[in-house]
Amino acid sequence: EAGVTQFPSHSVIEKGQTVTLRCDPISGHDNLYWYRRVMGKEIKFLLHFVKESKQDESGMPNNRFLAERTGGTYSTLKVQPAELEDSGVYFCASSQDFGSAYEQYFGPGTRLTVT
Amino acid sequence: RKEVEQDPGPFNVPEGATVAFNCTYSNSASQSFFWYRQDCRKEPKLLMSVYSSGNEDGRFTAQLNRASQYISLLIRDSKLSDSATYLCVCRSGGYNKLIFGAGTRLAVHP
Repeated sequence: EAGVTQFPSHSVIEKGQTVTLRCDPISGHDNLYWYRRVMGKEIKFLLHFVKESKQDESGMPNNRFLAERTGGTYSTLKVQPAELEDSGVYFCASSQDFGSAYEQYFGPGTRLTVT
Repeated sequence: RKEVEQDPGPFNVPEGATVAFNCTYSNSASQSFFWYRQDCRKEPKLLMSVYSSGNEDGRFTAQLNRASQYISLLIRDSKLSDSATYLCVCRSGGYNKLIFGAGTRLAVHP
């Protein structure tokens, strides 16, 4: 069974540009999460989808970040316009259901560098 | 103050050693606890859940003390392949987001 996949694996953009990250969850997983790790800090939660609905977006840093999950399958995270402090690794995770009994499986991450 | 605090290490130990990591959390509403392992430039992977009664998985033993808001991980008979960063993770009741510590780095040498 394929795991969580993310595209691209790396992205280097200039400040002010737009970048869109994509996440494909494990097939059948209704729950999809975005996390990020900025340099030297811990991994932090951004938001949680249940199917196509945003269940919790309390971790989204500001309105330059837009997450979508049309159709409840893959998700995109767009950063527009990108700032230097957005550099980091963006992880996507998915789980079959929510609750502690359901493991969140992480994708390999997208390493974003804003110059 | 960070929600989950860990000693960043690194812990440098020889093969066969026993090593213990500690973690404290500040949110008393936290209900679920985990240890994740992260290899260099890879994604985090669940190592084990942590229960109040303590639990063991082979060479790994995890303990939770809710009164002290303290979590531990013990690794016995360390292997070279145990070298990684170990992340202490909490989940609050009613929410599904995971709260990560910054991780403790372990380096096992021959």
